[in-house]
Amino acid sequence: KNQVEQSPQSLIILEGKNCTLQCNYTVSPFSNLRWYKQDTGRGPVSLTIMTFSENTKSNGRYTATLDADTKQSSLHITASQLSDSASYICVVHLKANNLFFGTGTRLTVIP
Amino acid sequence: SQTIHQWPATLVQPVGSPLSLECTVEGTSNPNLYWYRQAAGRGLQLLFYSVGIGQISSEVPQNLSASRPQDRQFILSSKKLLLSDSGFYLCAWSVRASGAHNEQFFGPGTRLTVL
Repeated sequence: KNQVEQSPQSLIILEGKNCTLQCNYTVSPFSNLRWYKQDTGRGPVSLTIMTFSENTKSNGRYTATLDADTKQSSLHITASQLSDSASYICVVHLKANNLFFGTGTRLTVIP
Repeated sequence: SQTIHQWPATLVQPVGSPLSLECTVEGTSNPNLYWYRQAAGRGLQLLFYSVGIGQISSEVPQNLSASRPQDRQFILSSKKLLLSDSGFYLCAWSVRASGAHNEQFFGPGTRLTVL
């Protein structure tokens, strides 16, 4: 069964600290993997995209990694800010016109 | 630049009433268009997608329908709402192209509460 699982479901960290979010997937044939940030009550916004051949991609304080062999991806946030509080969604694209969304990790950054 | 609009932003409707949510895209032509629902604490669920005017694909059987009367307009409808239709509805667009799936750009969403 094609699935995308994210962990943890929720996370609370202090401002300035780092954190890592996990995404495990079983979907195939894999095309690319994206991480989206979704602020409360807003639409998701793409942070990073990685294809099969890429194993890391950075966007400012966000760094995504991909291990296509183990079908795992992570999103590392460095020096967190209050504005990082949001849900982070892992989305796997198949080579067909299919998308699989994870249920997201709810990150709360507290001062 | 491209922008995507959804309205209304929030909606409270009684069970059994009709529904019409609208999505429009500006600044691009021939986009792929998508409707998603996000229930509380759940992931995004693809409801419909469209690759052109009048072309609608449904991903899940349900109480809803979609239409694309114009190239950059996508409408989500229901004749009779159910309590289970409550949720956050997101419209998205992507560049129509062959090969690997493209990035989707999401609208601001509509919060629907069915009472």
